[in-house]
Amino acid sequence: SYELTQPPSVSVSPGQTARIACSGDALPKKYAYWYKQKSGQAPVLVIFEDNKRPSGIPERFAGSISGTMATLTISGAQVEDEADYYCYSTDSSGNQWVFGGGTKLTVL
Amino acid sequence: QVQLVQSGAEVKKPGASVKVSCKASGYTFSNYDINWVRQATGQGPEWMGWMNPNSGDTVYAQNFQGRVTFSRNTSKSTAYMELSSLRSEDTAVYYCARGGVPEYWGQGTLVTVSS
Repeated sequence: SYELTQPPSVSVSPGQTARIACSGDALPKKYAYWYKQKSGQAPVLVIFEDNKRPSGIPERFAGSISGTMATLTISGAQVEDEADYYCYSTDSSGNQWVFGGGTKLTVL
Repeated sequence: QVQLVQSGAEVKKPGASVKVSCKASGYTFSNYDINWVRQATGQGPEWMGWMNPNSGDTVYAQNFQGRVTFSRNTSKSTAYMELSSLRSEDTAVYYCARGGVPEYWGQGTLVTVSS
C-alpha cells in the first residue's frame, strides 16, 4: 500500500523557520495537502494543492513540492504553531488517500 | 456556518458492529463528498474512504474493504459509517469530514471496543 514518509519530530526556536518534509512516490503527479492538529482537536487544513493557503491561515505557512518531496515551511514559527503536522495525498490511481505518519513540531 | 455533528460515544464488544452518524448543516448536503477518518490514541489519522451524498457512490480504503459501509439519508442531511467485526484495534475516534479533501470536520465519535 502507498505510504507518505515524514520525520517524527522537528524542533525550532521561536522566530526561526521550520521545515517539515513528506516523501511519496506519487507526489510528482498528485497534490500534497497539509494538516495541523493540536491535542484533542480535529485536524485543520493549512495547505491545499501543494502550495495554496485556505482563508484564515497565516501567511507564514507555505507549501512547496520538488520531485517526490513535499515541504511545509513555517517562516517565523510561533509558540502557537506547536502541533502535529500531517501530509495527505493519494496514490497514483487517485483512489486511495493516505496520511503521512506525522511530525511533531516543537517551538521553544 | 458549516457544521457536522456526530453521534455520541459507543462501547462495543469484539465481533459487534457500530454505526456512527454525521448530521450536516449550513450547506447543501448533496453538493460535497463526505470522508471518514479515524484516529487511535497517540496515532495519526487514518483515511477510511469517502461517499458522494448525491449519487451514493463510495470508495473504501483497502484496509477496510468488506468491513465498512457508508450510507446516507439525504432528507435528513445525514451520513452514516458502519464498521463490522470490531476488534480491539478499532478503538479510536471516528471523524466525518466534508470535501473531496476534508476541510470541515465533525467533533469526532469515540468508539471503544472492549470485552
